[in-house]
Amino acid sequence: QKEVEQDPGPLSVPEGAIVSLNCTYSNSAFQYFMWYRQYSRKGPELLMYTYSSGNKEDGRFTAQVDKSSKYISLFIRDSQPSDSATYLCAGGDTGGFKTIFGAGTRLFVKA
Amino acid sequence: EAGVTQSPTHLIKTRGQQATLRCSPISGHTSVYWYQQALGLGLQFLLWYDEGEERNRGNFPPRFSGRQFPNYSSELNVNALELEDSALYLCASSPAAVGGLNIQYFGAGTRLSVL
Repeated sequence: QKEVEQDPGPLSVPEGAIVSLNCTYSNSAFQYFMWYRQYSRKGPELLMYTYSSGNKEDGRFTAQVDKSSKYISLFIRDSQPSDSATYLCAGGDTGGFKTIFGAGTRLFVKA
Repeated sequence: EAGVTQSPTHLIKTRGQQATLRCSPISGHTSVYWYQQALGLGLQFLLWYDEGEERNRGNFPPRFSGRQFPNYSSELNVNALELEDSALYLCASSPAAVGGLNIQYFGAGTRLSVL
């Protein structure tokens, strides 16, 4: 079992839709979580990171962590064609300095 | 503030040759990570350097090696190149961990093509 599981998609939505991207993790030592956006043939760009359960909002993006179910989500409101990219989730272990990435979900936002 | 910079952007080699990839971290960051991202695949962890020392290594053969210099920049060397080494090689840096947080910031990558 992979430590971080992520549906590869692709996920296709119309412009303006609310997008929900999800990951599950198995390592109980993970205490912080990150979301990255990666455009084709570019490096991943850090969108947000969260350190605890609950929600964290930044503009159109909301990251949600539920440690009891080991489930993390990224919501994108009012999605735009420019949001079309691969989204990577990652879990981090503060004790072992270990960071594990999911395989990424490919998102297409159609104009 | 400059982000993580990687060079070269593209690198074309033939099988059996050696490749050297370079990375300059964000100013003030002491840790450098190297990842391999083959087409359509996720990030595969290669190496982690911190304060000039190799701290951890992924499941890759010894022909993948590297080092970190006193200015915290880093170099990844791949010897005896094989066709399956063709991939995007990403470097990330992070500041000294505070409270155990180890947030990584990525460069644009070096695309290595092995012919």
